Amino acid sequence: SQKIEQNSEALNIQEGKTATLTCNYTNYSPAYLQWYRQDPGRGPVFLLLIRENEKEKRKERLKVTFDTTLKQSLFHITASQPADSATYLCALDRGSTLGRLYFGRGTQLTVWP
Amino acid sequence: DSGVTQTPKHLITATGQRVTLRCSPRSGDLSVYWYQQSLDQGLQFLIQYYNGEERAKGNILERFSAQQFPDLHSELNLSSLELGDSALYFCASSVDLGTSGRGPAYNEQFFGPGTRLTVL
Repeated sequence: SQKIEQNSEALNIQEGKTATLTCNYTNYSPAYLQWYRQDPGRGPVFLLLIRENEKEKRKERLKVTFDTTLKQSLFHITASQPADSATYLCALDRGSTLGRLYFGRGTQLTVWP
Repeated sequence: DSGVTQTPKHLITATGQRVTLRCSPRSGDLSVYWYQQSLDQGLQFLIQYYNGEERAKGNILERFSAQQFPDLHSELNLSSLELGDSALYFCASSVDLGTSGRGPAYNEQFFGPGTRLTVL
């Protein structure tokens, strides 16, 4: 069956450290993978997208890697801040143009001072 | 602000009732998606509309239905409500490839603020 797994439901790190979140998938062949941030009671907000032919993407303190052989994406937040505390969701498509995304359950990140 | 609006923000109703949730997509976006998010299920895709037509269906119950109107706003109708239907309901919109193949080759989605439905 198809699965999207995000490492540990919760991740706690100290301010200034790098947070690394993992997204593993099985039985998908995505054309791209996306990461979203969700704050409690609010809608997810798009952060980054990486295509299947890209190995790495960066945006300010964020970095995403995508390994289609391992079927894994890593999401890094460098120099983390308490304001980065939120739930982070990975989402992928099934390689079609229909637009539907499949979301993981998310990892709740807490950055403490 | 994502540019996607949803009304109402909160809805409290009783079992067996029927409610309608409304969504207005970002200007220019033709695709609208509906999601249900509960504590134990995560973000579950319900249904997608593209330019007025149903395009994809997910885990949507037969008691639920949706439509997209000519002005591209969408409504999600939930009927014969049960306690388990209590959840956050999100609408999202995106630029989409469409049948012509034009547009960006990705599908970043913009989410609305959600409607919190409580069924008592």
